[in-house]
Amino acid sequence: KNEVEQSPQNLTAQEGEFITINCSYSVGISALHWLQQHPGGGIVSLFMLSSGKKKHGRLIATINIQEKHSSLHITASHPRDSAVYICAVTSGGSNYKLTFGKGTLLTVNP
Amino acid sequence: DGGITQSPKYLFRKEGQNVTLSCEQNLNHDAMYWYRQDPGQGLRLIYYSQIVNDFQKGDIAEGYSVSREKKESFPLTVTSAQKNPTAFYLCASSIRGAGDSPLHFGNGTRLTVT
Repeated sequence: KNEVEQSPQNLTAQEGEFITINCSYSVGISALHWLQQHPGGGIVSLFMLSSGKKKHGRLIATINIQEKHSSLHITASHPRDSAVYICAVTSGGSNYKLTFGKGTLLTVNP
Repeated sequence: DGGITQSPKYLFRKEGQNVTLSCEQNLNHDAMYWYRQDPGQGLRLIYYSQIVNDFQKGDIAEGYSVSREKKESFPLTVTSAQKNPTAFYLCASSIRGAGDSPLHFGNGTRLTVT
């Protein structure tokens, strides 16, 4: 089973700060997902990546396959970025199963 | 707008009763999933379906059942055999498998069993 570790568990930042959330996994994968969960519970997919780097607005996701590590960066953070950020990776050789990290709770203060 | 609809948002049941959670999507996605979320834990896969009339057990299928009679619908029944049914349940879909297509999630159903 692929273990997924996220760090930090909790992160508090001031508006405007640059934020990094890390995700490490234990075995080879075909894809890694970054998800955002707001207090109401709904989840939104931010990125799916298998190599390199992707950017969407103020969000950047990178993955290093050799080091089994991914980072999610938020530039110029804003209070509306406050949410739980979840990393998930493909698991058990299945194209349909994901193993999820426990999430990183981000709070951005004005 | 396309999306996934889960209903109801909150559900309360007495112990020993079966309960069915609804999940409908109009995204024309082949794959659908049910996940369970508990405080302090990552999401865990209950069941998934790659295509209509087919479904597979996930990591924690005991005490749950599903059906996939229509492409748009993937209801989850929490049976009385599920020992700890109180949880937040999330339905998701993807065009193909999660290994090569992003997931779309519903807003979840919070089930409380007393």
